[in-house]
Amino acid sequence: DGGITQSPKYLFRKEGQNVTLSCEQNLNHDAMYWYRQDPGQGLRLIYYSQIVNDFQKGDIAEGYSVSREKKESFPLTVTSAQKNPTAFYLCASSTRHFYNSPLHFGNGTRLTVT
Amino acid sequence: RKEVEQDPGPFNVPEGATVAFNCTYSNSASQSFFWYRQDCRKEPKLLMSVYSSGNEDGRFTAQLNRASQYISLLIRDSKLSDSATYLCVVNKDDKIIFGKGTRLHILP
Repeated sequence: DGGITQSPKYLFRKEGQNVTLSCEQNLNHDAMYWYRQDPGQGLRLIYYSQIVNDFQKGDIAEGYSVSREKKESFPLTVTSAQKNPTAFYLCASSTRHFYNSPLHFGNGTRLTVT
Repeated sequence: RKEVEQDPGPFNVPEGATVAFNCTYSNSASQSFFWYRQDCRKEPKLLMSVYSSGNEDGRFTAQLNRASQYISLLIRDSKLSDSATYLCVVNKDDKIIFGKGTRLHILP
């Protein structure tokens, strides 16, 4: 079955450490996204990628970095520069990055930084 | 005005009742619309797309009113399993905007 896999489901890190969240999809989707969700808040876009080797900043890219070396993979690194990294991180993909293309989400990674 | 607005709720509705909620959007040139469902501490899942003529999927009906710039979701014969947060999503060009969601509690 096709889908999006995020790992790990829960991640704990000490402040000052960089951490990388994995996102893999086998849906053959061109576009991939990273969102952050805080309690009681909507989804906020961190980064997105429309094709391999290209990505764009979203609304809250500061303190994050991404790569898109393969179509299937879009890892997100949360750096020590991110002031409030504790959150629920959601990866998504769509056939193309244009209208009428719904997003399919992975099951998320819950990151806690202490 | 926010780009996409939803009543946060919660809507507390008895099982079997009909419930409806709206989502307003500010950009009249918005191109496509979706409803997602998100259970507590889970990822959002696509519930249905919203088409200009309105569309139905079982107990769920979605409608678009471009003149007044809102979309709606109607749930008939509500089930306990319908309890969730419902997110509306509006697309325009390369921008995908999520509402903050409406919480729905179905009461036994």
